[in-house]
Amino acid sequence: AQSVTQPDIHITVSEGASLELRCNYSYGATPYLFWYVQSPGQGLQLLLKYFSGDTLVQGIKGFEAEFKRSQSSFNLRKPSVHWSDAAEYFCAVGAGTASKLTFGTGTRLQVTL
Amino acid sequence: DAGITQSPRHKVTETGTPVTLRCHQTENHRYMYWYRQDPGHGLRLIHYSYGVKDTDKGEVSDGYSVSRSKTEDFLLTLESATSSQTSVYFCAISPWEADRGRLADSYEQYFGPGTRLTVT
Repeated sequence: AQSVTQPDIHITVSEGASLELRCNYSYGATPYLFWYVQSPGQGLQLLLKYFSGDTLVQGIKGFEAEFKRSQSSFNLRKPSVHWSDAAEYFCAVGAGTASKLTFGTGTRLQVTL
Repeated sequence: DAGITQSPRHKVTETGTPVTLRCHQTENHRYMYWYRQDPGHGLRLIHYSYGVKDTDKGEVSDGYSVSRSKTEDFLLTLESATSSQTSVYFCAISPWEADRGRLADSYEQYFGPGTRLTVT
């Protein structure tokens, strides 16, 4: 069965600084990989998706993620963080039937001014 | 906007009472899902549906049942609510994608706004 690990529970960065959120997955083949963002009191919003092709994928809100097969990683990056990026971020892997996803436990991002 | 609504948005109920949460979609997608979200656990799949009257269990299905009598509605029922079922519940849908001239699973999921359930 597939699994997702987000090793950082909480990260604090200064506004304008760069950001990298880590995600490692376990799956036998190349899975579908996703990043979602959840603002307080809201549902989850899809940031970006990877399945095949270019290993660097661009998403919404200026985010990008890089798939590294050798490291089983799919880390999320942003060159310059804005205060509005403060939220919880979830990595997910899609595999098996019925488009099911397995989520990581999330990383909460705090942005200081 | 994926056209997903959940009702109610907030509910407080007592232990032992039945509770039904409703998820409604406007896009006629085949796949629908119910998750619960708890601190430190992320989102965990409770049940999912792959068509009208076609449902299956997820990883945390004990104490929950579901029904889907119409494409647009997916109901989650707690037959006898317990305090351990206090949580935020999310519904999601997944659309098809076009892949080399045929429809295929996209694995993209779009979420509703959630229902905060408190069992006292």
